[in-house]
Amino acid sequence: ETGVTQSPTHLIKTRGQQVTLRCSSQSGHNTVSWYQQALGQGPQFIFQYYREEENGRGNFPPRFSGLQFPNYSSELNVNALELDDSALYLCASSRQGVYGYTFGSGTRLTVV
Amino acid sequence: AQTVTQSQPEMSVQEAETVTLSCTYDTSENNYYLFWYKQPPSRQMILVIRQEAYKQQNATENRFSVNFQKAAKSFSLKISDSQLGDTAMYFCAFMKHEGAQKLVFGQGTRLTINP
Repeated sequence: ETGVTQSPTHLIKTRGQQVTLRCSSQSGHNTVSWYQQALGQGPQFIFQYYREEENGRGNFPPRFSGLQFPNYSSELNVNALELDDSALYLCASSRQGVYGYTFGSGTRLTVV
Repeated sequence: AQTVTQSQPEMSVQEAETVTLSCTYDTSENNYYLFWYKQPPSRQMILVIRQEAYKQQNATENRFSVNFQKAAKSFSLKISDSQLGDTAMYFCAFMKHEGAQKLVFGQGTRLTINP
């Protein structure tokens, strides 16, 4: 079975720009979550999608938005980038989250 | 809101030794799940072990076992016969039984296994 793949692996953007990060869920998984991991910190929950609908959101402003597609792949969009948005963004998928999530290797975003 | 605390920022042991990583959490929920994830330099979070709060029996997975104390809200991870490949960041995480199945992570413990 394939795991969770994220693209790109690294990205450098300028403050004020917009960015789209992509995630392909593991085969058979219908739930996807996105996390932001600042350097030296634990991941923070951004939002979750289940069957293309957002069904949970963490304490992140509306400029963080997402999509889940019929094939259960997903996108994270961030508008009006700020320096503090520099972090590792992790995508995680699951068929049932209570059994644990499968994580991708993340996208390292640097905002300059 | 739930919080997870890992009080040991860094730990270091010799290969083949046993090491215990600490985790405490705060919640008013009665049904929930607890996890330990490992994050090596490759950055990918890997599930190490999972515990269901309604089960009194501590979970074990090969060399990994937990000591789950529900009343004390404590969830420590024991790694036996540690190996060089165990070197990584270890995160304790909490998930409610109801609602969005989001993980609440602790700050992590950096574990180094020395040869």
